[in-house]
Amino acid sequence: EPEVTQTPSHQVTQMGQEVILRCVPISNHLYFYWYRQILGQKVEFLVSFYNNEISEKSEIFDDQFSVERPDGSNFTLKIRSTKLEDSAMYFCASSLWVQGSNQPQHFGDGTRLSIL
Amino acid sequence: DQQVKQNSPSLSVQEGRISILNCDYTNSMFDYFLWYKKYPAEGPTFLISISSIKDKNEDGRFTVFLNKSAKHLSLHIVPSQPGDSAVYFCAAASNYQLIWGAGTKLIIKP
Repeated sequence: EPEVTQTPSHQVTQMGQEVILRCVPISNHLYFYWYRQILGQKVEFLVSFYNNEISEKSEIFDDQFSVERPDGSNFTLKIRSTKLEDSAMYFCASSLWVQGSNQPQHFGDGTRLSIL
Repeated sequence: DQQVKQNSPSLSVQEGRISILNCDYTNSMFDYFLWYKKYPAEGPTFLISISSIKDKNEDGRFTVFLNKSAKHLSLHIVPSQPGDSAVYFCAAASNYQLIWGAGTKLIIKP
């Protein structure tokens, strides 16, 4: 069964450094998402991406964050200048269509980001 | 912001019995709900979903019930198996995003 893959599985970065988290969505999917889960807290939506544009973003997704689909397969999340509070598990997801048409989001196994 | 709530952090059920996981929501505009299962060190895995035009959806051992007037949904697993031990998340679809509950850890006892 096709799956979403994320790399690296664990990223350790010094505060203030830039970090890029990578995702390869399911190949025929059209919608792409990033979520995060801070330890002990709920999963939180960051951003959705369709047709090379951000379709929706949350308040968390400020100017420090950006997303890109640099080629036909990768979908990346960049954090420009990391803060301690960015430490979390980051999940990438993809779906064939937008929610509401019975097409669920499928998730990768996540990247654990640790900011020192 | 508690738009989706799972009030039971954990649930312990005997193998072979029925597991019932509950979820409440506050926004009556939600029209699509999903259940995900998550093992440690893995991402959430989609289990089953339900549209607000239905009150029940069944897939094998898993059934989701939706009570729109009560803004409540539940996931029934019968019979429960040891491999069902995991954290179960309820989520509501709103535009492009999923809004998540806090999860319920299900433990299936042999």
